[in-house]
Amino acid sequence: SQTIHQWPATLVQPVGSPLSLECTVEGTSNPNLYWYRQAAGRGLQLLFYSVGIGQISSEVPQNLSASRPQDRQFILSSKKLLLSDSGFYLCAWGSYRADYGYTFGSGTRLTVV
Amino acid sequence: RKEVEQDPGPFNVPEGATVAFNCTYSNSASQSFFWYRQDCRKEPKLLMSVYSSGNEDGRFTAQLNRASQYISLLIRDSKLSDSATYLCVVSGYSSASKIIFGSGTRLSIRP
Repeated sequence: SQTIHQWPATLVQPVGSPLSLECTVEGTSNPNLYWYRQAAGRGLQLLFYSVGIGQISSEVPQNLSASRPQDRQFILSSKKLLLSDSGFYLCAWGSYRADYGYTFGSGTRLTVV
Repeated sequence: RKEVEQDPGPFNVPEGATVAFNCTYSNSASQSFFWYRQDCRKEPKLLMSVYSSGNEDGRFTAQLNRASQYISLLIRDSKLSDSATYLCVVSGYSSASKIIFGSGTRLSIRP
């Protein structure tokens, strides 16, 4: 069966520090991968999505970037965190069939201090 | 106009009540529709897909109205454990389509 792993679960980082969040998927190949952010009490904001290795689409201009170095690995990065980057970051994967739905990792709760 | 809009609630209903949520979407080319459930401080989980003919899963019924571009979720005989935020999700048919989440409707079931 397919599983998605996301880490770390919780992270506290100072303003201006770098960020690297990792997401990996097992049990499937060529998944569509997504990064979402959810601010406290708010909805999910799509940040990036990828349909293949090295293919990244950005939805929101910001100081975050994403990379997909391997088929089942998706990384979210920042060179310098801002206070506004605090939130709940969620990675998700979907199959080639959009109507199959999407599965989320357990998320990373990031607090920038 | 937001791509996907939901009534944020909160809906506060007694146990055993029937409750319905609606969600509207702006892109008429949208092809795939889902309802997700999110518990406090947890990741969203797929509740059910929404099919053109409507579909039911136990106490939950989902409907799609393409002409009016909305989907609905009906929960019958609500349980305390149904308390959560319900997210409407819309995407295209292509595997390259991005998926758009509504901001969610908060439901609280009281004893």
